[in-house]
Amino acid sequence: QEQLVESGGGLVKPGGSLKLSCNASGFPFKIFYMSWVRQSPGKGLEWVSHISDSGSTSFDADSVRGRFTITRDNSKNSLFLQMNSLRAEDTGIYFCARARPHSGSLPLWNLWGQGTQVIVSS
Amino acid sequence: DIQMTQSPSSLSASVGDRVTITCQASQDISNFLNWYQQKPGKPPKLLIFDASILETGVTSRFSGSGSGTDFTFTISSLQPEDIATYYCQQYDHLPPFTFGPGTKVDV
Repeated sequence: QEQLVESGGGLVKPGGSLKLSCNASGFPFKIFYMSWVRQSPGKGLEWVSHISDSGSTSFDADSVRGRFTITRDNSKNSLFLQMNSLRAEDTGIYFCARARPHSGSLPLWNLWGQGTQVIVSS
Repeated sequence: DIQMTQSPSSLSASVGDRVTITCQASQDISNFLNWYQQKPGKPPKLLIFDASILETGVTSRFSGSGSGTDFTFTISSLQPEDIATYYCQQYDHLPPFTFGPGTKVDV
């Protein structure tokens, strides 16, 4: 069945780095835009980043631009989020998400992973 | 950026009740609005997109309406399995795709 599984979360100090991964299965990963969405108690649900099917185009939220980089490896059905210069406010659960078929870049996310927890604390 | 507000922030209702949640955008977003349901410890689930189109496999107890800046999500007859937090999300043109703060529905 269609599935997304995130990994790579953990506890990191402010200023540190972390790389999240999302492994996709059960669907043709290479034809879908993919996104990262995070959830924190203080800020609720927040779209973080998305990347085109080919990986050639990406958009980031203002809050992470210049610090986070979204990439993908279609040969390995994998999505990544490199997070640098982490701050306490980056703490939260990070979900990868895929849109409905034929939605292109629209955030009609009907497939989500279970999420990976990121804690930024000294 | 487009800001989204929801009301109420929480509500308590009885099984069988009709439940209505409203969502307002800070500017005209046409019908570019989704509704998600989230249960504790789970990721969000897409219920409605384009303001009123029910996602495949989602119960017809759920419905959505509205356009422009004002939107409504309705549960026609609340069931125990509907206990969750509901979020609206706009996707007008380019990112960011902002969510509302959520409405917690309880029995």
